[in-house]
Formats: sequence, C-alpha cells, structure tokens
Amino acid sequence: NAGVTQTPKFQVLKTGQSMTLQCAQDMNHNSMYWYRQDPGMGLRLIYYSASEGTTDKGEVPNGYNVSRLNKREFSLRLESAAPSQTSVYFCASSEGVGSSYEQYFGPGTRLTVT
Amino acid sequence: GNSVTQMEGPVTLSEEAFLTINCTYTATGYPSLFWYVQYPGEGLQLLLKATKADDKGSNKGFEATYRKETTSFHLEKGSVQVSDSAVYFCALSGPGGFKTIFGAGTRLFVKA
Repeated sequence: NAGVTQTPKFQVLKTGQSMTLQCAQDMNHNSMYWYRQDPGMGLRLIYYSASEGTTDKGEVPNGYNVSRLNKREFSLRLESAAPSQTSVYFCASSEGVGSSYEQYFGPGTRLTVT
Repeated sequence: GNSVTQMEGPVTLSEEAFLTINCTYTATGYPSLFWYVQYPGEGLQLLLKATKADDKGSNKGFEATYRKETTSFHLEKGSVQVSDSAVYFCALSGPGGFKTIFGAGTRLFVKA
C-alpha cells in the first residue's frame, strides 16, 4: 500500500518555465489537497478537491492551476514559475470533508525557481 | 477567522526529558484539533487528534488534551527519545472543515 505518492521529488526551474506536479493516492479517498510549506509559515492550502470532478481555491491559489484527473490523481500546474514559488509542495488526501477526517500526506516535492 | 499559534522552536532536549509544546487556537464553533509530526525528508503524518472538548488524544507516548476554556491543545511526552526529533505541527479543522489550518511548526531536537 503506497499511500500518497508524488513526482518528482526535486525540481529546479528557471523563471517563466512551466511544470506539473503529479500526485496519486491508492486509498480510495474522496478528497485531495495541495499545500506549500515555507519556513516559519507552516502549511498553506493552495487548492483542494472535495470530490472527483470538483476543485476549489485555497489560501494561496495565485499562479497555480489544478486538475482532478480521476479519483486517484490530482495534479498541480505552474504555468509561469516565479522565484516566490520556491517551496516544498505536499499533496494530501482524506476520506472526505469534515472536521474529524485525518489527512494523509505524500513525501513532498522540493521546487527551486531561479 | 480560524488560526493556530504554537511555540517557536527549535526546542532542544536531552533524552528522557519531559516535553511540552504549546498550542493555542482561535476558532468559531467546535473544531477538531490535531498534532501532526514531520520526520526529516518526509511528509506529515498524524500523531494524535481530539474531536471535542476535554478529549485526550494519545499515541506513541505523546498526549494532548482539548481545553476549550483555555483554547489550547498542548503536546506532552514524559520521556523523549532521540527518534522523536522532528517538526511538530498543531492543526485545527472547523465544522464542515476540509480547510485544515496548520501552525508554523515547532522543531524538536533530542540529544543522546
């Protein structure tokens, strides 16, 4: 049981380049999330998908787009990378939306934009 | 809006010392409260949770009690080990709350 997987683990981009971060979960979870983690700021929600076919903005959506490809997969796209997007990106999933649901996290993607 | 404040780190302790990491929250209604742990190079994983006032969450020797009167959810462990070195995040999730709010994290170093 792999849980939540993310690719790639590391990426270096030049300003203006684009890329897609991939995330997949094998727990049959309905809800999926993308966070970014910056020093001293905890995790901030970029986008989430409460269920297959739906996506919504989180706290810091500017500069990102997402696709919920199917129940398993939720990708995050940077159309034109900026140095301010240098961060560690985490994908997470949960059974559903609701205050008692635990989130399961992937190992993260460390992105550097030069 | 909802928010979580936790003590700044790093916290450095010797093995077998007592650990407290403070966490206070602001929320409307009755949120669920969580502690997540992040080991080096890994994603976050749930350590413990409490879903209503006076509940105590516990796991791997760690405990935290949901105190509504003081809006706190402090993490404690009686005797830390080197393997407990990690970053600890306090979090809350409000009613209907897929938008989990995380604290800034507290890094713990345990020396042998």
